[in-house]
Amino acid sequence: DARVTQTPRDKVTEMGQEVTMRCQPILGHNTVFWYRQTMMQGLELLAYFRNRAPLDDSGMPKDRFSAEMPDATLATLKIQPSEPRDSAVYFCASGLVLNGGPLYNEQFFGPGTRLTVL
Amino acid sequence: DQQVKQNSPSLSVQEGRISILNCDYTNSMFDYFLWYKKYPAEGPTFLISISSIKDKNEDGRFTVFLNKSAKHLSLHIVPSQPGDSAVYFCAASGVQGAQKLVFGQGTRLTINP
Repeated sequence: DARVTQTPRDKVTEMGQEVTMRCQPILGHNTVFWYRQTMMQGLELLAYFRNRAPLDDSGMPKDRFSAEMPDATLATLKIQPSEPRDSAVYFCASGLVLNGGPLYNEQFFGPGTRLTVL
Repeated sequence: DQQVKQNSPSLSVQEGRISILNCDYTNSMFDYFLWYKKYPAEGPTFLISISSIKDKNEDGRFTVFLNKSAKHLSLHIVPSQPGDSAVYFCAASGVQGAQKLVFGQGTRLTINP
């Protein structure tokens, strides 16, 4: 049963601390997305990668957020320093895009990391 | 700038009746639309999609309608079942094959027995 996994599931931290969230995409998927869910904005795309290369991170506050894919099985989202307004649920999703394949492919979401910054 | 809007934060429907969830968008470049369903403490899961070349797509109890001139889409669930109680997100893709999705704020659907 292939799934996207995310750790930690819950994180409570104090303002100013560094937070790292991890995601393991489904094996074989070549596209990874980071989303943030808030009450006001719904699901916002923060960044996404294709074949480990960042394609778009325009949704991410550049001064404090960073996203990387050290290898094909791990994606990380880091916040440093964290602020109370970063409190949200952060989702990772993965998908498979093939050259010559369908124009759009389903994204599979992980269970999310609930972040609370005090 | 909310390009995809779901104006109803919540909707309550009697079991067996039709549930209609609505979504409006502002960007005429969107050409692919999707609905995702989300249960508490889980990630969203894909439900149904529609390309801009169509105006209707059906999958079992779920039908999505697209009105491009009005920049409006809707999801119909018939008949509604208690297991349909969830948050439903509408999403749009901007450029063919771009994979980037813009989501709405979500509508919480409650099916009452």
